[in-house]
Amino acid sequence: DSGVTQTPKHLITATGQRVTLRCSPRSGDLSVYWYQQSLDQGLQFLIQYYNGEERAKGNILERFSAQQFPDLHSELNLSSLELGDSALYFCASSGGQGAGETQYFGPGTRLLVL
Amino acid sequence: AQKITQTQPGMFVQEKEAVTLDCTYDTSDPSYGLFWYKQPSSGEMIFLIYQGSYDQQNATEGRYSLNFQKARKSANLVISASQLGDSAMYFCAMREEYSSASKIIFGSGTRLSIRP
Repeated sequence: DSGVTQTPKHLITATGQRVTLRCSPRSGDLSVYWYQQSLDQGLQFLIQYYNGEERAKGNILERFSAQQFPDLHSELNLSSLELGDSALYFCASSGGQGAGETQYFGPGTRLLVL
Repeated sequence: AQKITQTQPGMFVQEKEAVTLDCTYDTSDPSYGLFWYKQPSSGEMIFLIYQGSYDQQNATEGRYSLNFQKARKSANLVISASQLGDSAMYFCAMREEYSSASKIIFGSGTRLSIRP
């Protein structure tokens, strides 16, 4: 158990819908990262927050947004969902931001868009 | 540009044998971290081992060791005395110190299957 929690574990929805994925980082970790894992794209970095502020953006679509709340939990919002958004979405956390900071991953949310 | 290459899509190894999973990387940042993660069929990503670019010695964690050859830009994972539970996808990853995004870049992974 990494100490990172994600809910829900599974999500099935229809195209055009909006969903929210939730992540609670390890106790004491200030950085939260979101990743998408799909069969064709592999593991892709989406976005990072550090202590409530957005710090870095990766391959995140405009239909997707995220935020980190004062209690440090984070939510990833996916809207106008398309079939291609079906993937495993991971949240990870680390204490800081340096190259040596290990990111610990949550169990993931498996999203299926029908 | 930051890049991770894993050239072995799949490997089969006999139980109790040692196995080496290859990883090469490319970066222009002098300070970086290299990571290996394991992803079993259940889907979670499990951190295995870390090597810093300035570390003089190869990292070890139990049965896992990282064969770090900086000049060759390789960071191979060695699993000693493999077990059936080692069957999983293994991802090599890198993080740069001075990158504008403190993200981890992952390789495409190697699927390791342990034969009894």
